[in-house]
Amino acid sequence: AQKITQTQPGMFVQEKEAVTLDCTYDTSDPSYGLFWYKQPSSGEMIFLIYQGSYDQQNATEGRYSLNFQKARKSANLVISASQLGDSAMYFCAMRRLSGTYKYIFGTGTRLKVLA
Amino acid sequence: EPEVTQTPSHQVTQMGQEVILRCVPISNHLYFYWYRQILGQKVEFLVSFYNNEISEKSEIFDDQFSVERPDGSNFTLKIRSTKLEDSAMYFCARGTGLTGYTFGSGTRLTVV
Repeated sequence: AQKITQTQPGMFVQEKEAVTLDCTYDTSDPSYGLFWYKQPSSGEMIFLIYQGSYDQQNATEGRYSLNFQKARKSANLVISASQLGDSAMYFCAMRRLSGTYKYIFGTGTRLKVLA
Repeated sequence: EPEVTQTPSHQVTQMGQEVILRCVPISNHLYFYWYRQILGQKVEFLVSFYNNEISEKSEIFDDQFSVERPDGSNFTLKIRSTKLEDSAMYFCARGTGLTGYTFGSGTRLTVV
C-alpha cells in the first residue's frame, strides 16, 4: 500500500526567506511519481512540481524545488524567496506511473508567510 | 492549458436529496477523476473514469455514487441520497502521464 506523511501541520516563514515542507512516503512500487500541490484559501488545487522515481536530478520549477532522497523516501518541497502569496495549504501526493493513476495525498501543511 | 470548470461552485441540499455535480474538462482527454476533501482534511480519491467507464473506485464510492459522461464533454458525479457526512469539497481532475493533473475549482457541497 502507498502512504504519504506530512508531519508539519503548520509552518511560518518570514517573507523573502526559504522554507522546506517535509514529505515522506512509503510504497513498494518500483515506478512512482511524487507531486506537490498548493491550495490557497480560495480552495483550488494548483500543481506545483513533479519528481519521478527514476529521475536522477531533483526537480525545479521557478522558486520551487523538490529535494528527493529516494533511500530515505522523502520528497521535501523547498520554496525559495517566500512571498506573501505563498501562504496556503500545501499537499504532497504520490501515484504510480502505470496502471492506476490515482493520487494518494498527505494531510497537508499550512504555510503562513509573514511580512 | 485550459482550465477545468466545475458547476455549481457551492450547493446546499437537504439530507436525502439527490445532487449532481458537473465538470467540463477538455473533450479529448480520456482519463478523469473525482476527489473529495472534507473541510480541513486531506484530499481523498473517489473514482477514476477512463474511456467512458469506471476504471477504479475507492471504498468511499459506494452505491449512492455514480459518474457519467452524458454528452462527451460534461462529466458528472451524482450522489443519490445525500447524507450529512457527504458535506465536502468535490474536485474533478483530468490528466495522465508524468505531469500533474489539472483540477477543477471545486464544488462545495453542504448537506443540511
